[in-house]
Order: sequence, then structure tokens, then C-alpha cells
Amino acid sequence: SQQGEEDPQALSIQEGENATMNCSYKTSINNLQWYRQNSGRGLVHLILIRSNEREKHSGRLRVTLDTSKKSSSLLITASRAADTASYFCATDHSGYSTLTFGKGTMLLVSP
Amino acid sequence: GAVVSQHPSRVICKSGTSVKIECRSLDFQATTMFWYRQFPKQSLMLMATSNEGSKATYEQGVEKDKFLINHASLTLSTLTVTSAHPEDSSFYICSANPWNSRGNTEAFFGQGTRLTVV
Repeated sequence: SQQGEEDPQALSIQEGENATMNCSYKTSINNLQWYRQNSGRGLVHLILIRSNEREKHSGRLRVTLDTSKKSSSLLITASRAADTASYFCATDHSGYSTLTFGKGTMLLVSP
Repeated sequence: GAVVSQHPSRVICKSGTSVKIECRSLDFQATTMFWYRQFPKQSLMLMATSNEGSKATYEQGVEKDKFLINHASLTLSTLTVTSAHPEDSSFYICSANPWNSRGNTEAFFGQGTRLTVV
């Protein structure tokens, strides 16, 4: 499997600021998903965007997908200290939930 | 959403012993479950796909005899780390999809198991 890349690897911001994380992948996808992981815990699904979609919103989250560039971005607006976590993008190339994860971005939101 | 339960959450074992990790889908049936491994501060790497009633499909580089997978029912998959060594220490996490057909749906993850081999 081809692992995607995410940048930045780490991001430190103040509460109230927006956080943007980027993800790139190498092969065509059926969908791309973003997950959150608190330290040493399981993964929480945030949002799924299908290959024929370009943008999706969920609360304070905004995800974009550019299949021509094989990239996606996750924007968290008005960040909170509770948003501190690692964020991973995962690509589903088959549509059967066999996921290839990016390396992740560690987000630190300071009060 | 669907619930996937993984047990135990933490386990410490002696080198040379075997450890079994369970992954259960609590409110849905899953003919397929997935096992991932995560090293500290790294990403998740797919180890194998667990198929109910048939052999698991292992990713390249994953030792089948080392990581035994059994998917005996539609709600339970187990991963057994055999003859564990310190280098097997890692975070193991499973996932399942409530919809068994191709549906472009999210995967639901267990809480993960922190394995420490001493």
C-alpha cells in the first residue's frame, strides 16, 4: 500500500485560530477520510469525502479534495484546546474500507 | 454510530508468551475486519484483513505465523501475537465496516490495545 503524506507534521496554534492540515496521496481513490486520535487512544472518524466531491463541511470542520492534485485539506475553524490531538487522513482505494493512512499531523491548541 | 469493542486495552506479557486480542462488533455483523499496528508517534499500518469463515489476507512483510488471525463469527475477530518479543510491543487497533458491500462508508475503530513485551 502507498502511504500518504501529511503536512505539517506538527502544528501549534492558539485557541480561536484556524488550523489547516494537508494530505497528499499517490493512487486514485474511492474516498478519503479524516480521523482524529487522542494520545494512546482509538480513532474517531471526522469526515468522509467521496472522489466525486470537492468540498464538505461538518460543524467546524471543512474538508476539500482535489483529485487532480491527489490532495486534501482539513480546516478546523475557531480551534479549541480540546481539539489537541493527532489528525490522520486515510484513503480508501477500493471502497471496502481498507484504509491507507497518512503519517498524521499533531495539533496542539494552547489556551 | 456502530460500535467496535477491543479487548484488552493494555497488556504486558513476558517474552516468549502469546497474547490474544479480541475485536468485537457490538451492534452489527462484520464479515470483514481489519487489523492495524501503530508505533509511537507514527501512522497506522494495515497488517491484515480478517475474513469471516476464511483465511485472513496479510499485507506484505507481515508474518502469518507470528500474527494469527481468527474470524470465527460475524462479530468477533481475534489477533494472537505468538511467541512475543520486545519488538512486537506496539499499539494494535482493529476496525470494521457495518456495510459489507462496497459503500464508501467510514470504518469504525476499536479502542486499541497497547502491548508491551518485557
